[in-house]
Amino acid sequence: KNEVEQSPQNLTAQEGEFITINCSYSVGISALHWLQQHPGGGIVSLFMLSSGKKKHGRLIATINIQEKHSSLHITASHPRDSAVYICAVRRHNYGQNFVFGPGTRLSVLP
Amino acid sequence: NAGVTQTPKFQVLKTGQSMTLQCAQDMNHNSMYWYRQDPGMGLRLIYYSASEGTTDKGEVPNGYNVSRLNKREFSLRLESAAPSQTSVYFCASSEVQGGSPLHFGNGTRLTVT
Repeated sequence: KNEVEQSPQNLTAQEGEFITINCSYSVGISALHWLQQHPGGGIVSLFMLSSGKKKHGRLIATINIQEKHSSLHITASHPRDSAVYICAVRRHNYGQNFVFGPGTRLSVLP
Repeated sequence: NAGVTQTPKFQVLKTGQSMTLQCAQDMNHNSMYWYRQDPGMGLRLIYYSASEGTTDKGEVPNGYNVSRLNKREFSLRLESAAPSQTSVYFCASSEVQGGSPLHFGNGTRLTVT
């Protein structure tokens, strides 16, 4: 079983829809990151969370430490949101190593 | 502000050839990382450098060497390339060890034939 799992693997939405991507992890963590990988390959950090909720524009990230679960929400989705979204966790007392989820591929159709 | 600059963007090697991937960051970050990304798998850590002058193995270090030349630069070397090293390689940096956002380079797509 992978230490970080994401669902769904692939997601197709119509422009304007509310989107939720989920991340579950099985290890103790000190922080969780959400990353966006553009179709061209570049990776951008969206959020770093250790508790609660963060919002940036149309993106909202939440984390429930007790349930070992995080969600990334996109409100009023747009075709430019089409990308792969990656969840990564930094394990407690495990030095440098982040553990990355396999990613969720999102396509937003106009 | 360039962020993390990684070269080359694409490379094709024959089995047994060597090459060095270059990475430089201009954000004065202490920590730098090399990852590989393979289809269907998450990013996997090859090597990291917590600070200038130190390097440590990650999850998949075999077949690779690294050099932290100074605070800005962290290079990855393949001494004798193998087809299993066909992958997309990403360099990244962060301000402190894992406690701040990762900043990624644009990646190097390497094919070993």
